[in-house]
Amino acid sequence: AQSVTQLGSHVSVSEGALVLLRCNYSSSVPPYLFWYVQYPNQGLQLLLKYTTGATLVKGINGFEAEFKKSETSFHLTKPSAHMSDAAEYFCAVTVSNTGKLIFGQGTTLQVKP
Amino acid sequence: EAGVTQSPTHLIKTRGQQATLRCSPISGHTSVYWYQQALGLGLQFLLWYDEGEERNRGNFPPRFSGRQFPNYSSELNVNALELEDSALYLCASSPRTGVSQDTQYFGPGTRLTVL
Repeated sequence: AQSVTQLGSHVSVSEGALVLLRCNYSSSVPPYLFWYVQYPNQGLQLLLKYTTGATLVKGINGFEAEFKKSETSFHLTKPSAHMSDAAEYFCAVTVSNTGKLIFGQGTTLQVKP
Repeated sequence: EAGVTQSPTHLIKTRGQQATLRCSPISGHTSVYWYQQALGLGLQFLLWYDEGEERNRGNFPPRFSGRQFPNYSSELNVNALELEDSALYLCASSPRTGVSQDTQYFGPGTRLTVL
């Protein structure tokens, strides 16, 4: 069965610092992996996704993630944090033929000036 | 292109009442998904509709139900409301039936408060 674990429910960085949000998955089949961002009182916005092919995936707003099969990880990074990046971030994996996205518990990113 | 829209934005009900939440998918999308985001429980899959049929449901009681209309819009009904049904209900849509790698695009949600 597929599952997702996000390490760290809260991450705090200074503006301009590296952002690293961790996601590990469990899947018995090749996974399709997603990162979504949720700003306060809003829905989810897709940042990036991995389906097949290149393991380094670039997304919107300068974010990228690398699929590492050997480590069952899909960590999200951004070289330089901006105040506007403060939000909650969710890693998710699809379950084949079910329509279901399984989400991690989310990581709240705080960016300090 | 308009995104997924949901109505109402906020809904306040009392225990035992029924709530109806509405969702319009992105034009051309045939699949609609519903998720519940409750405090402390995270995002949980509720229902998947495609081509007017319920394709899958999550681990929720039967008082959570819905339907999809011929124009692909969808309705989520929650009967006999309980306090723990208070949550943000998110609707999403995707362009193709049962294609796991397709992105699900989310609406802004309906905040349901049960008093």
